[in-house]
Amino acid sequence: NAGVTQTPKFQVLKTGQSMTLQCAQDMNHNSMYWYRQDPGMGLRLIYYSASEGTTDKGEVPNGYNVSRLNKREFSLRLESAAPSQTSVYFCASSALEGTEAFFGQGTRLTVV
Amino acid sequence: GEDVEQSLFLSVREGDSSVINCTYTDSSSTYLYWYKQEPGAGLQLLTYIFSNMDMKQDQRLTVLLNKKDKHLSLRIADTQTGDSAIYFCAEVGGATNKLIFGTGTLLAVQP
Repeated sequence: NAGVTQTPKFQVLKTGQSMTLQCAQDMNHNSMYWYRQDPGMGLRLIYYSASEGTTDKGEVPNGYNVSRLNKREFSLRLESAAPSQTSVYFCASSALEGTEAFFGQGTRLTVV
Repeated sequence: GEDVEQSLFLSVREGDSSVINCTYTDSSSTYLYWYKQEPGAGLQLLTYIFSNMDMKQDQRLTVLLNKKDKHLSLRIADTQTGDSAIYFCAEVGGATNKLIFGTGTLLAVQP
């Protein structure tokens, strides 16, 4: 029972490089989310997708883009990485907006 | 706007009770959650409470909700070293329907 799967688990980027974080869920959930976790700041919502075909900005969207490829997959793209984007990124999904969210294991990203 | 606050750190001795507190600002929140994050892992749901309840008990966990003061607490009875983790409270914002997380409380259990 995989739940929410994120890849990669670790990544080091140079400033200005681009990359895409992948997320897939096998629970047939409608809503998917991307959060970043920084010390002392809790989890902050970057983007979310309430349902397939829709995406919306969260609290800290600048420097990121997302794609809800299908119901299962929700990717997060950094077009030009900056050191301020060094963080742990979590993907989550829920059956509906506001209901229990299930989290992936996280991607630890370092931008040098 | 929506804001959720927690103290950053709590230290208890094994066998004691732990109480982790949380305050939130959105009075229209429908659900309030407690999540646990162990080192190097994602968040796992521990328990939740509906906004029309004032208490929920689940084995060693007791959740208390004071809606008037917008205060939520999680009590862990007979705290074990395996309970050492970061605990997050989260509310579902009534306006946005999004999960808004607190800063997290690091619980350290001393043997």
